[in-house]
Amino acid sequence: EDQVTQSPEALRLQEGESSSLNCSYTVSGLRGLFWYRQDPGKGPEFLFTLYSAGEEKEKERLKATLTKKESFLHITAPKPEDSATYLCAVSSWGKLQFGAGTQVVVTP
Amino acid sequence: DTAVSQTPKYLVTQMGNDKSIKCEQNLGHDTMYWYKQDSKKFLKIMFSYNNKELIINETVPNRFSPKSPDKAHLNLHINSLELGDSAVYFCASSQDPSWGGELFFGEGSRLTVL
Repeated sequence: EDQVTQSPEALRLQEGESSSLNCSYTVSGLRGLFWYRQDPGKGPEFLFTLYSAGEEKEKERLKATLTKKESFLHITAPKPEDSATYLCAVSSWGKLQFGAGTQVVVTP
Repeated sequence: DTAVSQTPKYLVTQMGNDKSIKCEQNLGHDTMYWYKQDSKKFLKIMFSYNNKELIINETVPNRFSPKSPDKAHLNLHINSLELGDSAVYFCASSQDPSWGGELFFGEGSRLTVL
């Protein structure tokens, strides 16, 4: 059965303190791996799509990387506005399967 | 101009009642979805429609019935509500149904069953 596991569950960072979030997956027929950001009381917002091992995508202070078994979301020099829950999802046979997310809190 | 809008945002109701949630998207997408996010924050797909045709129907009780009158609208009707139905229900849309990747989500409808 397809599985998506994210770690850590929660992460508290000082402003400027870089860190990485992990998403490990087992899935048959992977069509893509996706990162979303979810703010409290809002729907998830799309960040990145990664299709193949070795691929990297960047957006502002966020950088996503992909291997055959896992993906990392690196947050460089985070700011308080980067506080959110980051969700990883894999696409297999037309369905998007989400992990439980990592809740990131960045304090000034 | 909201891309994916859901109503109502909050629903509080008694067990056994019937309720509906409506969703509309103005992105011109062909595919729409209903997702359920439980108290542990897991987002799980329930249904997917492509151009008014049901294409994904996960293991969801028959009490849940989606309806898509046109490709811009997807509604969810829930009969005989149970305590376990309490969750946030998200509507989403995408252009490509075949890999369900880049989804645009609404703000969610928080259902509380008492």
